[in-house]
Amino acid sequence: EAAVTQSPRNKVTVTGGNVTLSCRQTNSHNYMYWYRQDTGHGLRLIHYSYGAGNLQIGDVPDGYKATRTTQEDFFLLLELASPSQTSLYFCASKDYNNQAPLFGEGTRLSVL
Amino acid sequence: KTQVEQSPQSLVVRQGENCVLQCNYSVTPDNHLRWFKQDTGKGLVSLTVLVDQKDKTSNGRYSATLDKDAKHSTLHITATLLDDTATYICVVGDRGSALGRLHFGAGTQLIVIP
Repeated sequence: EAAVTQSPRNKVTVTGGNVTLSCRQTNSHNYMYWYRQDTGHGLRLIHYSYGAGNLQIGDVPDGYKATRTTQEDFFLLLELASPSQTSLYFCASKDYNNQAPLFGEGTRLSVL
Repeated sequence: KTQVEQSPQSLVVRQGENCVLQCNYSVTPDNHLRWFKQDTGKGLVSLTVLVDQKDKTSNGRYSATLDKDAKHSTLHITATLLDDTATYICVVGDRGSALGRLHFGAGTQLIVIP
């Protein structure tokens, strides 16, 4: 069954902390995305990738790095976390065609 | 600037009633429009996709329309159930492939009460 799995589901860190959010998809999709969701805003694209080793900058990339180590795994890195990065983060995967992206269940990150 | 506006922001209906959610957008080009359902604390799940200049779709109790000339879409939910309580998100895709960008609305929070 097609799936996108995010870990951890919840994370609390302090300002200046180092955080890695993980995403794994078992859909054989080429494209993977990291979004953040904040109240009053639609999902906003942070980084995305066309395949292993590829990285593309999204619309709100400041303060975030990402790495696509394999076709299945896409990581989002916050090296110096700030309170403004407190948010709900979603990973998604998609094939090249016009099918709907598949979303993970989200990671809720709190930066104190 | 927000390119996808949804209304109302929130809506409360009684179980069994019908409701209509609105989506207006300014995204250009507008290749397709998709409606997602997001249960609290969960990811987004696609309900339907509209592609044609004037399109209609139906998926059980969910039906949707799209008018690309007006850049407007509606999502109708008939005979609402308690499980319909969720946030409904309108998403406009500017291309027909994964190379395109998805533009997300902020969502309409629907609450269905007994």
